[in-house]
Amino acid sequence: AQTVTQSQPEMSVQEAETVTLSCTYDTSESNYYLFWYKQPPSRQMILVIRQEAYKQQNATENRFSVNFQKAAKSFSLKISDSQLGDTAMYFCALASRGAQKLVFGQGTRLTINP
Amino acid sequence: ETGVTQTPRHLVMGMTNKKSLKCEQHLGHNAMYWYKQSAKKPLELMFVYSLEERVENNSVPSRFSPECPNSSHLFLHLHTLQPEDSALYLCASSQGGDRGLYEQYFGPGTRLTVT
Repeated sequence: AQTVTQSQPEMSVQEAETVTLSCTYDTSESNYYLFWYKQPPSRQMILVIRQEAYKQQNATENRFSVNFQKAAKSFSLKISDSQLGDTAMYFCALASRGAQKLVFGQGTRLTINP
Repeated sequence: ETGVTQTPRHLVMGMTNKKSLKCEQHLGHNAMYWYKQSAKKPLELMFVYSLEERVENNSVPSRFSPECPNSSHLFLHLHTLQPEDSALYLCASSQGGDRGLYEQYFGPGTRLTVT
């Protein structure tokens, strides 16, 4: 069975700081995809960033980047120059190639303070 | 309309009522999903439809009945619900297959309260 674990239920940082959210996963598959989703207080879940397991290069999207450690099965999200609008629940998720479902972690509630 | 839409956004129903949640995706995707999101719990996958065929049913009680009449529409029919069914119900869609685009796109959700 595949599992995704987010060990930080809540985090809080000051605006403009850098914050890293942790995610570990377990899968026996060799081809898979990892995602970070953001769910702001308005509730619409938004895809932040995706990483293909076969790519060694870490994905980046503007202020968001990941640290993908395949051997350690770790997939952390770094948010640089954090903004008030980054306040949200963040979910890490895993999908195997060929499977049409995501396995989600429990989520990390991130608060950016002014 | 763009993306994934859900109606209604809020619903209050008694335990003896029958209601339906509607989801529509405008992304040309071939798979649709229902999730339940409760406070302090991980997202629970309820149903998966691929090419309008149900491919997964995660031991969901029969008081929840999904319907997928075509690849753009997904319904969740509700009847004789329990108070513990109060939650945010999220719909999502994706385009899988050889393109490898397995990310899911979510609707805003329906906040359901069962009284």
